[in-house]
Amino acid sequence: GIQVEQSPPDLILQEGANSTLRCNFSDSVNNLQWFHQNPWGQLINLFYIPSGTKQNGRLSATTVATERYSLLYISSSQTTDSGVYFCAVDVYNQGGKLIFGQGTELSVKP
Amino acid sequence: DVKVTQSSRYLVKRTGEKVFLECVQDMDHENMFWYRQDPGLGLRLIYFSYDVKMKEKGDIPEGYSVSREKKERFSLILESASTNQTSMYLCASSPIRNTGELFFGEGSRLTVL
Repeated sequence: GIQVEQSPPDLILQEGANSTLRCNFSDSVNNLQWFHQNPWGQLINLFYIPSGTKQNGRLSATTVATERYSLLYISSSQTTDSGVYFCAVDVYNQGGKLIFGQGTELSVKP
Repeated sequence: DVKVTQSSRYLVKRTGEKVFLECVQDMDHENMFWYRQDPGLGLRLIYFSYDVKMKEKGDIPEGYSVSREKKERFSLILESASTNQTSMYLCASSPIRNTGELFFGEGSRLTVL
């Protein structure tokens, strides 16, 4: 089956720093989503981005489907950005089921 | 905004008890999903449903069943809870079968003693 790999697995930043999280996937996909899991466990949608680039405030994401990767950029990080970031892909002809990466755990220090 | 509501944030049950986890979505989505999340294992799909009274097994259906009697409600049932079912359970919904954006509830943290 498809493999979804995220890097780095852990990241510690000082408040105000920028960061890039990466998601590689091993097969063609229907769509790709980025989520942030908050300290209480809820997965919050960040981007629905099968291809191209999107921006939402300090966050932006780029997916290059032909090269099978996606990047999540966090600029001017804040302590509230801490948590685990997941990418998830929907594989063609798999009925809309998402396959999740293992996540990147981000800790932003004040 | 899409809202997916899970009935209980925290539950503590005893081995052998029957457990119901309820999930309701308010956006008329066709698809609903149950995942469990465990440290080191990530999110794994238990069951999903594309329509009322329809269900399909995910990657780890053993020990679980589901019910979808109404479009907005998808229930996960543990017929006889076991300690290895202690986990975080996450319900999600999406509007379109193959390209729909997935929305999650707040999660239900179940402890089985």
